[in-house]
This record gives sequence, C-alpha cells and structure tokens, in this order.
Amino acid sequence: DARVTQTPRHKVTEMGQEVTMRCQPILGHNTVFWYRQTMMQGLELLAYFRNRAPLDDSGMPKDRFSAEMPDATLATLKIQPSEPRDSAVYFCASGLEGLNQPQHFGDGTRLSIL
Amino acid sequence: GESVGLHLPTLSVQEGDNSIINCAYSNSASDYFIWYKQESGKGPQFIIDIRSNMDKRQGQRVTVLLNKTVKHLSLQIAATQPGDSAVYFCAENRMDTGRRALTFGSGTRLQVQP
Repeated sequence: DARVTQTPRHKVTEMGQEVTMRCQPILGHNTVFWYRQTMMQGLELLAYFRNRAPLDDSGMPKDRFSAEMPDATLATLKIQPSEPRDSAVYFCASGLEGLNQPQHFGDGTRLSIL
Repeated sequence: GESVGLHLPTLSVQEGDNSIINCAYSNSASDYFIWYKQESGKGPQFIIDIRSNMDKRQGQRVTVLLNKTVKHLSLQIAATQPGDSAVYFCAENRMDTGRRALTFGSGTRLQVQP
C-alpha cells in the first residue's frame, strides 16, 4: 500500500535549535497537511498545501514555524528557534483535492525539546 | 467555538462483542465525516467515511451511521477483536470554511478485554 513517509521518526534537541521535519506524500496526491498532536490539544491543523501552494497556515505560529513544499515529493516543516512547548507529535497527511476525499497520515515525528 | 466532540473518552468491551463509538458535531454545514483509528506510536489510519447525503455506510466489520437531525455520528465495530484496541477519532470537513482540512474530535479509547 502507498504510504506517507515522515522523517525523522524521533527528534530530541535543546531549545533554541532549528528542527526540520520532512514528509513524502503519497505519489499523485496534490494536497498536503501538517498536524500537531498533544495530549492537551489533540490533533490541530498547522498548515495545508494544494499543488505545492500554501492555502492555510493560520494554525501555525508564524514567528518560528515555516512550512514549504520544494517539490511535489517533499514537504518540510521547520521550527526556528525551537521551544519546549513545541514538544509534540507532528503528522503529515496527504490526499487528493476534491470533495469528500480522505486524508492519509504518516506515522509522525515525535519531537522533544529540552 | 464549534467543534467535533466525543461523548465517551474510554470504552471497554469484551472480545467478540460489538462496539459503538459516538461522536457529536455542531456545524450543520459539515458534509463529510471520517473515522480514523490510531494505534500507539502510529498515525491515524483511515477506517471509513460517509457523506452527508447518506445515513449509513458499511465496511468490513464496521458501520458508520449519520444522524443529521441530531448531528450525531457513530462507528459500530462488529465482533470486536484485540487488534481493534486503539483510539478512534471522528473528523469532519466543513464546507462553510471552504477548506479541505479536517477538524478532529478529542478521541475515544477502545479497550478490548480478552
């Protein structure tokens, strides 16, 4: 089965460091989503791309977070500088644009900021 | 604000019994609903979806029921197995926002007792 691939699976770093998370969407999918999952907030949307163009990043702290799609096979989420409150599991999902299409998730990057 | 929510945070059932997981939504403009299953250390996995022009949809051992009158969604799992133990999320797509990103409920943990 085709899968969304995320790297790294785990990341531990000190506050202030730059963190880059990568996602390879399912081939042919033209929408990509970044979500963050915490115990307190559950699954929250951070950013949403269609055909590599950002459509919605209202859920993302603009001062330290940035999301890009350098090409159709790679999406990145960067945090600079990282803070302990950024500790969470970050999920990437991809799907086909169109009404009523399910998103398919990767297995996430578990980020710990010390 | 309007959101998707779940009535029961934890559901414990005996192996072989049927399980019913419930979800309430508040936005009558929502037109698409998805159930996801999330196992420990993994991303949400698509189970089944339903469109607002339907009130029932069946898959393999799973059935989703949609009651638009009371804005209620349920997931029924027949002959529950230990492998069904996970957290289950309902998610909705809100047409009024024009976005294709999903809004997730807080999740229900299903525990299957052998």
